[in-house]
Amino acid sequence: KQEVTQIPAALSVPEGENLVLNCSFTDSAIYNLQWFRQDPGKGLTSLLLIQSSQREQTSGRLNASLDKSSGRSTLYIAASQPGDSATYLCAVEPGYQKVTFGTGTKLQVIP
Amino acid sequence: EAQVTQNPRYLITVTGKKLTVTCSQNMNHEYMSWYRQDPGLGLRQIYYSMNVEVTDKGDVPEGYKVSRKEKRNFPLILESPSPNQTSLYFCASSFPLAKANEQFFGPGTRLTVL
Repeated sequence: KQEVTQIPAALSVPEGENLVLNCSFTDSAIYNLQWFRQDPGKGLTSLLLIQSSQREQTSGRLNASLDKSSGRSTLYIAASQPGDSATYLCAVEPGYQKVTFGTGTKLQVIP
Repeated sequence: EAQVTQNPRYLITVTGKKLTVTCSQNMNHEYMSWYRQDPGLGLRQIYYSMNVEVTDKGDVPEGYKVSRKEKRNFPLILESPSPNQTSLYFCASSFPLAKANEQFFGPGTRLTVL
């Protein structure tokens, strides 16, 4: 059974700092990995999706990498801003089937 | 506007009273799924559907039913709700052949079962 772990569970950083969020998964047979952000009381917003054949994806200040062989993905946020404060979730998909989410990293960026 | 909608957004009910949470998407997506989110447990998949009339169980299907009679709708049915089904529920949809099945989520339905 696929298990997805996100460490740390919570992170507090000063504004402007670069930071890395981690996601690890136990079964490397995945189709894609997706990073989301969730604001309190809100739904999930897709940030980046990495297909299994890809190594990384970039969008603005965000960069996500994927290492299937080691079962790891990282989300890099450059020059963090208070508006980046949210919970970040990663999810892995083995195919058009079940999706497994991590429990998330709650990020607080302090002005 | 492309979106996934859920109704109701908030619901308080009592044990045993059947309820349905609706989910609709306007993106002609084939794949739809339901999740519940609980503190400390994260999001867990309840049911998913690959297309019309094709549904399958996720990780926590007990106590739930779904149907997919139309491509755009995927209602979640609780035949006899119990307090342990108090949770935040999300519906999601995606089109597997486009952007590697990137999922789009609805705004969530907060359900309380007394």
